[in-house]
Amino acid sequence: QSVLTQPPSASGTPGQRVTISCSGSSSNIGSNYVNWYQQLPGAAPKLLIHSNSQRPSGVPDRFSGSKSGTSASLAISGLQSGDEADYYCAAWDDSLNGYVFGTGTKVTVL
Amino acid sequence: EVQLLESGGGLVQPGGSLRLSCAASGFVFSAYAMTWVRQAPGKGLEWVSGLSGSGERTYYGDSVKGRLTVSRDNSKNTLYLQMNSLRDEDTAVYYCAKERDDSGGYYIDFWGQGTLVTVSS
Repeated sequence: QSVLTQPPSASGTPGQRVTISCSGSSSNIGSNYVNWYQQLPGAAPKLLIHSNSQRPSGVPDRFSGSKSGTSASLAISGLQSGDEADYYCAAWDDSLNGYVFGTGTKVTVL
Repeated sequence: EVQLLESGGGLVQPGGSLRLSCAASGFVFSAYAMTWVRQAPGKGLEWVSGLSGSGERTYYGDSVKGRLTVSRDNSKNTLYLQMNSLRDEDTAVYYCAKERDDSGGYYIDFWGQGTLVTVSS
């Protein structure tokens, strides 16, 4: 039972920009950093963005994250076929005292 | 290079038990908290449990409290998940993951490849 809400799907053509939203509450996104994970088909998740907007080494700058209030977003610019994957937002929840994930968004490159 | 290798998954009957292991390498294991995350077939990610580097502090998701127990052996660089009273809804791929908790907040920075647990009669 996810407490962070994401749209189930998003799509775009190669080269386009796609944005994924993540909606939470004051106990999670509103008071803690947001992180994003990419899960390619058949693979384990991989850290894409941490601390709202920081990219780990090796992640292209086509991926960017932002946060405002109790919502966050992930933007993918210059969309590529290799970006087809499921994307999850996540944050620590102070009320649940646990890490909560978003519902996940499947990105399709048309 | 950080490596996390899970083992111990398999088929178990409802009400049964299973112990998962996660062998870690490529970092100072005792310095980092570790966590288990699961993913039911075709579903999203669910945080299951976390454990501090010393093993003194544990955290559990509501759906597994009282049935799953996380532990670690820092001398063997290994994380464990003891799973008791298993239910059909525990069927999932279980991922071992390394945590970070610093000025940049809490996040999982590395994941294992996962081990499949199937609960079925």
